[in-house]
Parts: sequence; C-alpha cells; structure tokens
Amino acid sequence: AQSVAQPEDQVNVAEGNPLTVKCTYSVSGNPYLFWYVQYPNRGLQFLLKYITGDNLVKGSYGFEAEFNKSQTSFHLKKPSALVSDSALYFCAVPDTGRRALTFGSGTRLQVQP
Amino acid sequence: DVKVTQSSRYLVKRTGEKVFLECVQDMDHENMFWYRQDPGLGLRLIYFSYDVKMKEKGDIPEGYSVSREKKERFSLILESASTNQTSMYLCASSPVGGTANTEAFFGQGTRLTVV
Repeated sequence: AQSVAQPEDQVNVAEGNPLTVKCTYSVSGNPYLFWYVQYPNRGLQFLLKYITGDNLVKGSYGFEAEFNKSQTSFHLKKPSALVSDSALYFCAVPDTGRRALTFGSGTRLQVQP
Repeated sequence: DVKVTQSSRYLVKRTGEKVFLECVQDMDHENMFWYRQDPGLGLRLIYFSYDVKMKEKGDIPEGYSVSREKKERFSLILESASTNQTSMYLCASSPVGGTANTEAFFGQGTRLTVV
C-alpha cells in the first residue's frame, strides 16, 4: 500500500530563517507526491505536487519541495519563513486503487516573529 | 474559482441523533470523498464515490453512511451519533482519473461535536 510518513509533529522556526518540513514515502512504481496546507479552522489547500521531471518542485506561497528517490523523501522547504506560514502541513500520496489521497499525520509549523 | 462547499462550519449534536453533513461542488467532478481529521492521525478516508448513486467504503466506514443522488452533492450521514465521532469532517472532490496526477479540492470543513 502507498503511504507517507511525517516524522515531526511540530517544527519551530524564526521568521526569516529557512524552513523544512519532512516527508518520507513508501510507494510501488513511480511516486506521485503532494503537499497541502491547512490554516486554522480551514479546509486543506493544495501547495504543490511532484509527478515526474525536476527533483525541485515549486509551488504556491514561495514553497518548494525536493524529491529524493534514494532517500524516498519529499521535504517541503522555503528559503525565508513568514509568521503567516504558521499552519498544519500534510504530505500525501495517491491511493490509485481508490482515486483518493492517503495523508501523513501532519506537521504543525510555528514561525516565531 | 473552484469551490467545494460544506453546509455547516460548526455543529453540536446529541448522542443518538441522526446527523447529516452536506457537501456540494461546482466543478463537475466525478469523484467525491469524505475524510475525518483528528490530531496526530491526519486525514482518514470514510467513504468515497466515483459517480451518482455509487459509493465505496474507505478505511473507517463504521457508524457512517453516504448518499450521492446528484453529481454535485455528496452527503455524509451519522446514523446514531456517538461521542467518539466528535471530529473535523472534510469533503473533497477530484476530476475523473482521480488523484494520480491531479489535486483534490477540499471544503472548509465541519467541526462536529457530539455531546
């Protein structure tokens, strides 16, 4: 079965510093990978996806993600964090048999001013 | 702008009540989903549907049922609400072909409290 893991429940970073939110995956075949963000009391918003091609994927709000096949990772990154980036971040992988997404447990990002 | 709309942001229901959560999408998507979100557990799939009048069980269907009478509407039903169904419920939709290479679109969520 396809799965993703987010090893950190929470990540704290100071505003202006680079941030990384980690995700590792376990899939058969070529992976398709997604990142979503959830702001307080809101639904999930799509950030970016990896389908194929460049290992560095650029997405919304200045976020990017690095696909690393040898480490089976898909870490979310941003060069300079903003307080407004504070939110819950989910990594996801398609469960192609059910056309649904399978999500990680989520990582709460706190950016301190 | 694409939209998935859930009928309620917050609901408080009593144990044993029958509860309906409604979801409507305006993107003509074939696929619709109901997830439950709990801290530390991420999102778990309750039910999904590929077409009108079609439904499939997800990972945690017990205590829930669904209805899809029209393409744009997918309802989640709690037959007899219990306190362990207190949670955030998220509806999503995606186009034909599913989420293999296209993103799913989510509603704003319904926070249900069962007392």
